[in-house]
Amino acid sequence: GENVEQHPSTLSVQEGDSAVIKCTYSDSASNYFPWYKQELGKRPQLIIDIRSNVGEKKDQRIAVTLNKTAKHFSLHITETQPEDSAVYFCAAPQTPYGGATNKLIFGTGTLLAVQP
Amino acid sequence: DGGITQSPKYLFRKEGQNVTLSCEQNLNHDAMYWYRQDPGQGLRLIYYSQIVNDFQKGDIAEGYSVSREKKESFPLTVTSAQKNPTAFYLCASRGGVNYGYTFGSGTRLTVV
Repeated sequence: GENVEQHPSTLSVQEGDSAVIKCTYSDSASNYFPWYKQELGKRPQLIIDIRSNVGEKKDQRIAVTLNKTAKHFSLHITETQPEDSAVYFCAAPQTPYGGATNKLIFGTGTLLAVQP
Repeated sequence: DGGITQSPKYLFRKEGQNVTLSCEQNLNHDAMYWYRQDPGQGLRLIYYSQIVNDFQKGDIAEGYSVSREKKESFPLTVTSAQKNPTAFYLCASRGGVNYGYTFGSGTRLTVV
């Protein structure tokens, strides 16, 4: 089955700096990789996702890159702001997305603290 | 709650009691999931359901039960067999191929 590892577990940056969170996965057949942001006491919210037919996707200050050969994908946040402080989770499908067994395996999370 | 509603927001359980957490969605999603989150921890899958009248155990199903009688509803019962139920419970749904999960706002369960 799929195994997802996420690093680092905590990350502290100064406001305006960039932050990078990396995840590795084990199943080379995985083809969908979402990132979720969870603020304290709230639900996780999807912030960006990428499919295996592209190598990079951007949405304003957030980007995700995918290296299928190395089986890792990363979240990049530029020009960080205090409101970016949260826990970020990556995920990968247990089976190719949309297959008969269809659930996401989540990383253990990264606590991002943006210092003003 | 973006189309998926969990209730109650806070729930207190006495020792030996069964309690049921509600999860309702109006997104017409086929798949629904229950996760448990302990303080400072990640998401652990309890049960999931791909279609009505069918569900599968996740990684930590012991002490929990579910039903899926309607597409819109996926209630979770925390039984007295679950010895450490205090946690934040999240319900999620997924609408189809190439879509991520939509999470409910969660239920915080505390044993008193």
